[in-house]
Amino acid sequence: DTGVSQDPRHKITKRGQNVTFRCDPISEHNRLYWYRQTLGQGPEFLTYFQNEAQLEKSRLLSDRFSAERPKGSFSTLEIQRTEQGDSAMYLCASSTGANVLTFGAGSRLTVL
Amino acid sequence: KNQVEQSPQSLIILEGKNCTLQCNYTVSPFSNLRWYKQDTGRGPVSLTIMTFSENTKSNGRYTATLDADTKQSSLHITASQLSDSASYICVVRLQTGANNLFFGTGTRLTVIP
Repeated sequence: DTGVSQDPRHKITKRGQNVTFRCDPISEHNRLYWYRQTLGQGPEFLTYFQNEAQLEKSRLLSDRFSAERPKGSFSTLEIQRTEQGDSAMYLCASSTGANVLTFGAGSRLTVL
Repeated sequence: KNQVEQSPQSLIILEGKNCTLQCNYTVSPFSNLRWYKQDTGRGPVSLTIMTFSENTKSNGRYTATLDADTKQSSLHITASQLSDSASYICVVRLQTGANNLFFGTGTRLTVIP
């Protein structure tokens, strides 16, 4: 296991299209987080899973955003009807308990 | 209000020089503080973690300090290298709650030859 994997690394899409990002956390990590990061800013919390349960969602996560972690392993983040303001880096991180977060390399979304 | 502020926003130094990055926080109740390094286009990578009782911790050429009374932390980089060019993000964790991490906006360090 080489860490947190995210796919795709880059996605360019037209406004109005749907996109889906996948995150494969470190296998023994039960906690999984999604963050959004724009240029020059720190990561902003989007949502958090403990195993398969989505325990918290940010108000940043509008109804166009949905995240799942169906079997408590990998997770997907889907954005429907993308807008130009959705352009950002989407970071996934995983951890066990209060341990340090391990981040993936991120998925960069560009909405034209 | 729980906040994490970092300074400077950006910094340019010559290769081989030292530098110090600052992090001030108002997060309470405090659990720990972490410094992350984020290369351009990559996810953040943990450098150090400081708990309430720790004042100084080193990781190679990186030395982090924590003053829990004044709620300040610093990251000192010694003998900088070109590969140190990155954003350095300070992250403070609350003692409780699921979403209990507060991120600074980072300091963008550029090391030039």
